[in-house]
Amino acid sequence: QSALTQPASVSGSPGQSITISCTGTSSDVGGYNFVSWYQQHPGKAPKLMIFDVSSRPSGVSNRFSGSKSDNTASLTISGLQAEDEADYYCCSYTYSSSYVFGSGTKVTVL
Amino acid sequence: EVQLVESGGGLVQPGGSLRLSCAASGFTLSSHWMVWVRQAPGRGLVWVSRINADGGSTIYADPVKGRFTISRDTARNTLYLQMNSLRAEDTAVYFCARLVNGRMDYWGQGTLVTVSS
Repeated sequence: QSALTQPASVSGSPGQSITISCTGTSSDVGGYNFVSWYQQHPGKAPKLMIFDVSSRPSGVSNRFSGSKSDNTASLTISGLQAEDEADYYCCSYTYSSSYVFGSGTKVTVL
Repeated sequence: EVQLVESGGGLVQPGGSLRLSCAASGFTLSSHWMVWVRQAPGRGLVWVSRINADGGSTIYADPVKGRFTISRDTARNTLYLQMNSLRAEDTAVYFCARLVNGRMDYWGQGTLVTVSS
């Protein structure tokens, strides 16, 4: 199972909105709504930010939102803040009952 | 409060074995599915293995199939990953995480495994 495709880096100024894409196939992203997004700061464990394509866990800012169209999922961060600078990974359930992560995107706040 | 604490990582020679542990608290393993995820130095997250709530169903990523075994001890409320025939490419930080309806909602802090002679 190949990693889902994400842009290597995305940047934005404080207050701006950015969107990270996550492209898979009909066997993963396009076939299921079990798409989740994780934030990881250097040296730390990943943190769940979005699940089931667009749902937010309790405690996660509503500046984070998710969506999906066909085989591509997206994470949007609005009102970008310095603390949002981190690596972001998408993850999808697959047809073989396994999971596959995206290649990861480094978000830089300018 | 849900907590996951991994241990058992370290330096091992190629071909060697290691068993990782993930002690869970704040919930019972017998009621939850669990996964192992790894991250090679400077690289991205990679799903490794999953076990279901009753321990009767396990699944592995192709690179570790036949070499790694996921299991759990409900009395100790601890998840394990037995890793045999280790290779240099298995070098990574290994995380355990709780899997709930397709999402990994709680993660441990990770344990580093280094395979080198």
